[in-house]
Amino acid sequence: LAKTTQPISMDSYEGQEVNITCSHNNIATNDYITWYQQFPSQGPRFIIQGYKTKVTNEVASLFIPADRKSSTLSLPRVSLSDTAVYYCLVVPRGAGNNRKLIWGLGTSLAVNP
Amino acid sequence: GAVVSQHPSRVICKSGTSVKIECRSLDFQATTMFWYRQFPKQSLMLMATSNEGSKATYEQGVEKDKFLINHASLTLSTLTVTSAHPEDSSFYICSALAGGDRGTGELFFGEGSRLTVL
Repeated sequence: LAKTTQPISMDSYEGQEVNITCSHNNIATNDYITWYQQFPSQGPRFIIQGYKTKVTNEVASLFIPADRKSSTLSLPRVSLSDTAVYYCLVVPRGAGNNRKLIWGLGTSLAVNP
Repeated sequence: GAVVSQHPSRVICKSGTSVKIECRSLDFQATTMFWYRQFPKQSLMLMATSNEGSKATYEQGVEKDKFLINHASLTLSTLTVTSAHPEDSSFYICSALAGGDRGTGELFFGEGSRLTVL
């Protein structure tokens, strides 16, 4: 399973755009890149998933370069409620129930007023 | 509402007692569920993979006799912490793999259960 590396923490201010970059040098051909958000004492919540190029939903954008060895989660105009831990994971698609995920420490984002 | 529901969200028990945590998939069938444990300021650690109708697969270092997992139906998996001790105090999270009629192959997480053993 591909290992991911992301910054331990980031600070931002309300209204700013936040970009969190994740490295996954050993990503496999059938792996997707998935980002989760976790608030204290809550389970992780799915944010976005992508395979290549760019994916955008109502919450965030995900940028993936051609070599797929990294990805960047972009949160537009963050608010205080976006303060959370953000996890980047590489998830194999297909292969039945092989969904054992390796969770890193994630990036603790603090949004200040 | 939540796609995966955990109950109870918080539980406090005395040392030596057993505690059962339920994980339900509300609007899909989950042949596979995963149980995680998370200590403060640490990441999620996979404890076991629960498969409907068969024995759970435990990760290395997780005692199967201490953490009993039952996945008797396609919508319910339970984790029982037997003879709980203070060191078992943690945040337990389940996730369910959406398959069957949904067929999306996506993972959904429960809200988590905070266990405190006195």
